[in-house]
Amino acid sequence: DTGVSQNPRHKITKRGQNVTFRCDPISEHNRLYWYRQTLGQGPEFLTYFQNEAQLEKSRLLSDRFSAERPKGSFSTLEIQRTEQGDSAMYLCASSFEELRGYTLYNEQFFGPGTRLTVL
Amino acid sequence: GIQVEQSPPDLILQEGANSTLRCNFSDSVNNLQWFHQNPWGQLINLFYIPSGTKQNGRLSATTVATERYSLLYISSSQTTDSGVYFCAVERGTSYDKVIFGPGTSLSVIP
Repeated sequence: DTGVSQNPRHKITKRGQNVTFRCDPISEHNRLYWYRQTLGQGPEFLTYFQNEAQLEKSRLLSDRFSAERPKGSFSTLEIQRTEQGDSAMYLCASSFEELRGYTLYNEQFFGPGTRLTVL
Repeated sequence: GIQVEQSPPDLILQEGANSTLRCNFSDSVNNLQWFHQNPWGQLINLFYIPSGTKQNGRLSATTVATERYSLLYISSSQTTDSGVYFCAVERGTSYDKVIFGPGTSLSVIP
């Protein structure tokens, strides 16, 4: 397995355009997370999926953002009507949540990210 | 919501020196991870450590969940250790499911 992959790696768009990013998780991983990271900051949680179900969304996630994970495999993150403030690195992570003894194990592995620039 | 703090914010080390990075969190968490973000932005897993102590080569980590802190030890630092170190905590059901600390920026000079 080659790890989590994200496409495209870079995206430049004009304000008002829609963009879509794709994340392919490590195979068999049942959880998939999306984050946004701006310069000098730590990643900020946006949303996550357990298989195909979207379970949590951050209050940071405006209505212009939508994510899907059809069939519980790859995921897409779409941003509609992009704004300059959307410029950031968008990171995807996946994990396999499982019970090990009495402990819930859920180690996340990150992809290389998609850098979005909105002009 | 939960607060995650890291100290120090910046650290400059001479190659070969040792260091300790700290992560404090304000509420109970399900798990904790340490990451190294390299200059190309890739987050590299260092430790998955909700509690206890782990070691991996020159790195080790300790989490004391009851006191809500974790420590990352780097011994005999190398220039390739430079980058930003993040701790991240994961909670149960919450709109702020995963919280990253602000990071410690480490520069190791020859």
